[in-house]
Amino acid sequence: KNEVEQSPQNLTAQEGEFITINCSYSVGISALHWLQQHPGGGIVSLFMLSSGKKKHGRLIATINIQEKHSSLHITASHPRDSAVYICAVRFSTGNQFYFGTGTSLTVIP
Amino acid sequence: NAGVTQTPKFRILKIGQSMTLQCTQDMNHNYMYWYRQDPGMGLKLIYYSVGAGITDKGEVPNGYNVSRSTTEDFPLRLELAAPSQTSVYFCASSYRSGPRFKETQYFGPGTRLLVL
Repeated sequence: KNEVEQSPQNLTAQEGEFITINCSYSVGISALHWLQQHPGGGIVSLFMLSSGKKKHGRLIATINIQEKHSSLHITASHPRDSAVYICAVRFSTGNQFYFGTGTSLTVIP
Repeated sequence: NAGVTQTPKFRILKIGQSMTLQCTQDMNHNYMYWYRQDPGMGLKLIYYSVGAGITDKGEVPNGYNVSRSTTEDFPLRLELAAPSQTSVYFCASSYRSGPRFKETQYFGPGTRLLVL
């Protein structure tokens, strides 16, 4: 069964804290996508990765293919990072993306 | 570039009514997608298209129809609206050529639909 699990579901942090959001999946994948959904509803792509690690500003995404696990890290978190972060995977056998239910992050000043 | 645009932003429908959700992209992307997002659930694929004239079902196609007569437009049709179709609908597009892991999806702003 194609499953994507995210944890935690909700996360509250103080400004400046280091944040980790996790994504696990059930079978082999060809790609993993991290997305950010703003409070207004818009969705933007943060990272697309198939192996290793990617960094953009204060955001870092890693993936461990053997363990079927990816993490999204935010360093020096800021209130503007408050959003829902969504993990999506394309399984090796298929053509479409399957999405996690998202992690709702609130960063308090 | 406007990116991916969707209309309307919000709509209330009565049970049994029909409507078309519009989606347009100006990035010359070959792939286009329709998703629905229900509270507490992940996005689910309704239909997708790999190019003009070619469409295929996703995970939850029942109650919907699509067409892709041009590269730019990918409308989603609801024929007989039901309360279960109350959701937020997102259109997305991407350009796929070469390695699949290089494909990035660009999302529209969403259409909030309420069926009463």
